[in-house]
Amino acid sequence: KAGVTQTPRYLIKTRGQQVTLSCSPISGHRSVSWYQQTPGQGLQFLFEYFSETQRNKGNFPGRFSGRQFSNSRSEMNVSTLELGDSALYLCASSLISGAQTEAFFGQGTRLTVV
Amino acid sequence: AQTVTQSQPEMSVQEAETVTLSCTYDTSESDYYLFWYKQPPSRQMILVIRQEAYKQQNATENRFSVNFQKAAKSFSLKISDSQLGDAAMYFCAYSTGDSNYQLIWGAGTKLIIKP
Repeated sequence: KAGVTQTPRYLIKTRGQQVTLSCSPISGHRSVSWYQQTPGQGLQFLFEYFSETQRNKGNFPGRFSGRQFSNSRSEMNVSTLELGDSALYLCASSLISGAQTEAFFGQGTRLTVV
Repeated sequence: AQTVTQSQPEMSVQEAETVTLSCTYDTSESDYYLFWYKQPPSRQMILVIRQEAYKQQNATENRFSVNFQKAAKSFSLKISDSQLGDAAMYFCAYSTGDSNYQLIWGAGTKLIIKP
């Protein structure tokens, strides 16, 4: 069974640009969550999608957005990039929404903003 | 707001020995879950163990066990017979049991295994 796939693995962008990250969940999983990991702030929840609907959103500015497609694949977009957006972005998928099911993580996308 | 605190930035243990990682949390919820995740250098977060708050029995997964003290809001992880492959960052995490699903994370503990 294929795991959670995040693409690309590494990305370098310039301040002011926008970026789109992709997450393909495990087959059959309908919930996808996104997290930002930085040395300073640690791991922070961005948002969760379930059946193409955003169910929950963390405390991030509107520059951070996402969506989920009918095949459960999810994309995360960051517009007007800032240096502080440099981070490891982790995606997790689970069968359904909720802590009662295990979340499986991808290897992340390392975004560097210069 | 819920918070998770890991007070040990780094721990080291001799191979084959036992080590305990500490975690405390704060919540006013009654229905919640607690987790320990491991993040090796490959960066992929791996679930080590999970505890439902309503269960009094401490969760166990092979060499990994937790000491869940609900009243004290403490959730420590014990690793027995430490192995070199256990070296990683360990994160304690919390989530409510309702529809507001999100993991709230501690700062992590770096575990070093000495051969």
